[in-house]
Amino acid sequence: DAKTTQPDSMESTEGETVHLPCSHATISGNEYIYWYRQVPLQGPEYVTHGLQQNTTNSMAFLAIASDRKSSTLILPHVSLRDAAVYHCIRMQQGTGSKLSFGKGAKLTVSP
Amino acid sequence: AQTIHQWPVAEIKAVGSPLSLGCTIKGKSSPNLYWYWQATGGTLQQLFYSITVGQVESVVQLNLSASRPKDDQFILSTEKLLLSHSGFYLCAWTPVQDTQYFGPGTRLLVL
Repeated sequence: DAKTTQPDSMESTEGETVHLPCSHATISGNEYIYWYRQVPLQGPEYVTHGLQQNTTNSMAFLAIASDRKSSTLILPHVSLRDAAVYHCIRMQQGTGSKLSFGKGAKLTVSP
Repeated sequence: AQTIHQWPVAEIKAVGSPLSLGCTIKGKSSPNLYWYWQATGGTLQQLFYSITVGQVESVVQLNLSASRPKDDQFILSTEKLLLSHSGFYLCAWTPVQDTQYFGPGTRLLVL
């Protein structure tokens, strides 16, 4: 089972730091955790990914549990532009890697 | 700079008519290329992927076919459209280490 579990939705207010959880209890040792976000009528936007170590970039901080069974995408100081459906995806890197999108978690940001 | 372009932006077609959607990548040689489809309100599904010219692997066919006639070009087509083909078609590519980046998409409405 290559699925992950995310809440259906989360609400936040501009300026807050948002923690988006993801559960992947059966993740394999060679599977990476990828995060994408998508707004209506646009293609998914890559946010970040990681294997074992926490990672950070200009968009977000990805915290990965030591047992790798869960992870949290942390969005600092969210703005209205961060409102989107966030997808947490397991993927084994390699030729023809398949990204399996689920319903994701809809993040609402209020002014 | 690397860019991904999809055409057309949007299309309205009749049931039973042919379809051809295109995707072009500039600035990267021999990228992995992918086609995705998203029904209105649905999840994103990977349809095809290609790692080299002339080679295409099917993931979910949906009565569609794909071809890679050039290194930087990926084509999605069918000879007879169905109502169920309506939706949002996305092309993606991997410039670096399997991270997929998505194009702007093509909206298709079949009547």
